[in-house]
Amino acid sequence: GEDVEQSLFLSVREGDSSVINCTYTDSSSTYLYWYKQEPGAGLQLLTYIFSNMDMKQDQRLTVLLNKKDKHLSLRIADTQTGDSAIYFCAGTGGGNKLTFGTGTQLKVEL
Amino acid sequence: DTGVSQNPRHKITKRGQNVTFRCDPISEHNRLYWYRQTLGQGPEFLTYFQNEAQLEKSRLLSDRFSAERPKGSFSTLEIQRTEQGDSAMYLCASSDRDRGSPEQYFGPGTRLTVT
Repeated sequence: GEDVEQSLFLSVREGDSSVINCTYTDSSSTYLYWYKQEPGAGLQLLTYIFSNMDMKQDQRLTVLLNKKDKHLSLRIADTQTGDSAIYFCAGTGGGNKLTFGTGTQLKVEL
Repeated sequence: DTGVSQNPRHKITKRGQNVTFRCDPISEHNRLYWYRQTLGQGPEFLTYFQNEAQLEKSRLLSDRFSAERPKGSFSTLEIQRTEQGDSAMYLCASSDRDRGSPEQYFGPGTRLTVT
């Protein structure tokens, strides 16, 4: 099955860019996703990328996919305090269910 | 559309009791998923439905767990004889794969505490 790994913690200053990294094992993942979770809440879908793409940009969010290295990253430009949350990457493997990483806690400091 | 809804939001129960959770997916989404999330971890897949058919179940779904989606709309997840290890957030998601849409949208979750 799919394994997904993320670093646990990232701290940035307000206004800086944040880069959250993820590695996955199953190259058959058709789609790769980024979700945001605030304390006590469900998961909010931020963006996703099709596996035949290298990059996707959506407002302040940029997703980069390196298929060779099985590496996915999420860049948040001009990070704000409201971006403080846990960010999960997830892949579909060869099927329909999502396999999630353990999440990266992003802390935005003033 | 109001998104995926789940009820109750919180449930506290004593060990050995049965509990049932409900998920209402986004209208006309044909796929419905259940995940479980424990503290400090990412969600783990439990099961999913396409319309009323339960197509896949995880090994995490012991025989004390049962899920249904009788009319292909809302779904229920029942846990019988709850154990303290069942304490977790239970998340429901839905997607519209008939239109080729890969997005899975999550509800707010039901937090279960077994005492």
